[in-house]
Amino acid sequence: EIVMTQSPATLSVSPGERATLSCRASQSVSSNLAWYQQKPGQAPRLLIYGASTRATGIPARFSGSGSGTEFTLTISSLQSEDFAVYYCQQFNNWPLTFGQGTKVEIK
Amino acid sequence: QLQLQESGPGLVKPSETLSLTCTVSGGSITSSSHYWGWIRQPPGKGLEWIGSVYYSGTTYFNPSLKSRVTISVDTSNNQFSLKLTSVTAADTAVYYCARQNYSGSGSSRAPKWFDPWGQGTLVTVAS
Repeated sequence: EIVMTQSPATLSVSPGERATLSCRASQSVSSNLAWYQQKPGQAPRLLIYGASTRATGIPARFSGSGSGTEFTLTISSLQSEDFAVYYCQQFNNWPLTFGQGTKVEIK
Repeated sequence: QLQLQESGPGLVKPSETLSLTCTVSGGSITSSSHYWGWIRQPPGKGLEWIGSVYYSGTTYFNPSLKSRVTISVDTSNNQFSLKLTSVTAADTAVYYCARQNYSGSGSSRAPKWFDPWGQGTLVTVAS
């Protein structure tokens, strides 16, 4: 099983600042990685797939990069609605696995 | 706009079987470009993939749950279902259903990311 490790566990950021979230895979997943956003009491929402392709309707301030074992989700200028938990998910190997999440909170 | 809605009992007794159904609206479950998946999230914790099903009945399961899980599809009612047997308190979670992209070519064609998701349903295992 591929273990996905996200860091940091919590990221404190001021509105308008840049946020950089990391996701590391225990072995290469090529570009077979997705990012999701989850707000309290809501289902996850797809942000990024294929490591760097924004899903439909996702603002341009969200960007994904990386391949192999190291991936990054960047939020260029945090808006109030971006404070949430973010998960990465690999779909290169079975079983599909998620990271443990990074909580982005208001500083 | 495709929507998914989970339904089923919110309380299940230990050792019994958890049964949930996901109803798909605004699109067909017989899409050749999608699988349909179940994911769960224990309270305050992260996401765990349970399994996925194609409209033909082909399934993939998480090995950690495989011995207890059945996922089936009902194309006539545009639904797919999850059964988890011999539940314990550790199975208490919000259970989500989701559409799963099925793309690629040749051997690389496989179920991938999840979008969209249902709102989720909390299932508590307690006596």
